Amino acid sequence: GQNIDQPTEMTATEGAIVQINCTYQTSGFNGLFWYQQHAGEAPTFLSYNVLDGLEEKGRFSSFLSRSKGYSYLLLKELQMKDSASYLCAVKSGNTPLVFGKGTRLSVIA
Amino acid sequence: NAGVTQTPKFRVLKTGQSMTLLCAQDMNHEYMYWYRQDPGMGLRLIHYSVGEGTTAKGEVPDGYNVSRLKKQNFLLGLESAAPSQTSVYFCASEKSGTSYNEQFFGPGTRLTVL
Repeated sequence: GQNIDQPTEMTATEGAIVQINCTYQTSGFNGLFWYQQHAGEAPTFLSYNVLDGLEEKGRFSSFLSRSKGYSYLLLKELQMKDSASYLCAVKSGNTPLVFGKGTRLSVIA
Repeated sequence: NAGVTQTPKFRVLKTGQSMTLLCAQDMNHEYMYWYRQDPGMGLRLIHYSVGEGTTAKGEVPDGYNVSRLKKQNFLLGLESAAPSQTSVYFCASEKSGTSYNEQFFGPGTRLTVL
């Protein structure tokens, strides 16, 4: 099976930078996804990492270290609209994606 | 392009009643999924399908059945609803099972079982 851990809640200030960590244990690692989910809405895709390193996409970046079983999502220049849950999900082999429990981020003024 | 749609958006059932949730996608995706999301539990996979006419069990399949008679539709059935099935249900589709393909989610169905 897989074990995916991420913090339950985080709070950060508008304009700041926040890093949301995700650790996982799995065999046959085949990629890691980050999704964003606003309250009452569906998850939407943010990023995908399969090789070690940093993937940058505007204000959002995602990092992966396969040897450490570790990823983080970095959000820069935080805006109030970034208040949402951020879901880490891991793919192993040909099995379906497994989601972590999500990190609820609150951005305060 | 509507993407992934779900019907109904809300439903209240009494214990023992049955219902079917419909998911439809217009992206010609091969893979489709049904999840439930409960507070503090994250998204948990109920059943999934890798193509028309195929279905497979996920992490929490008990009490649910599914059918994929047409490629664009994936139905989730509750034969005898229980209060433990009160949840938000999300359907998702994916182009194929290749690792780099993202899942596209429907807007969700909020189900309450009394």
